[in-house]
Amino acid sequence: QSVLTQPPSVSAAPGQKVTISCSGDSSNIGNNYVSWYQQLPGTAPKLLIFDNDKRPSGIPDRFSGSKSGTSATLGITGLQTGDEADYYCGTWDTSLSAGVFGTGTEVTVL
Amino acid sequence: QVQLNQWGAGLLKPSETLSLTCAVHGGSFSGYYWTWVRQPPGKGLEYLGRINHSGDTMYSPSLRGRLTISMDMSKNQFSLRLNSVTAADTAVYFCARGHYGSGPYYTPNVGPYYYYMDVWTTGTTVTVSS
Repeated sequence: QSVLTQPPSVSAAPGQKVTISCSGDSSNIGNNYVSWYQQLPGTAPKLLIFDNDKRPSGIPDRFSGSKSGTSATLGITGLQTGDEADYYCGTWDTSLSAGVFGTGTEVTVL
Repeated sequence: QVQLNQWGAGLLKPSETLSLTCAVHGGSFSGYYWTWVRQPPGKGLEYLGRINHSGDTMYSPSLRGRLTISMDMSKNQFSLRLNSVTAADTAVYFCARGHYGSGPYYTPNVGPYYYYMDVWTTGTTVTVSS
């Protein structure tokens, strides 16, 4: 049972923008940094965003992250067919003393 | 470039013990939080637990009592043992390198903390079936 809630799916046409929300509470997103992962079909998760809005080297600036209060958002601009994947948010939950992930969002490029 | 390689039994019977090991190649073992994550078929990611180079462990509340994570720093390896498995433990198991720490103006037990995984294995499929 994930403690972070994401929409099950989002979609847009190639070249367009999508945003994925991740909702938590004060014990996780509200007081800690958020990360985002991309999981292409049949592969391991890949880190896209860490510390709310930082991109590891090699991640294009089409991917962006933000946080406000107890929610975080991943944005993908210039959508490409290669972006079709599942996306997960993650953070530390201070009450649980454990890492937590979001429920996951499937991105479809129309 | 650090790489992780994991291995372990892929087919278990109910009540048996799941054992997986992850080896760290090409990078330091110290300074990181070595993490286990699993993904049941068709479902999302689930954090299991982590260990650092000092042997300090933290486990998911849902698995405390059944899960043990250990490490052998001399071999740059860390391991997972999950007792009394059931069909609900059927999943792809990943090991990953984790980063954990506190941010500016940190308050103990409140935050802010950062925790993210930047290097992952391809995973091991574990099936529990009689």
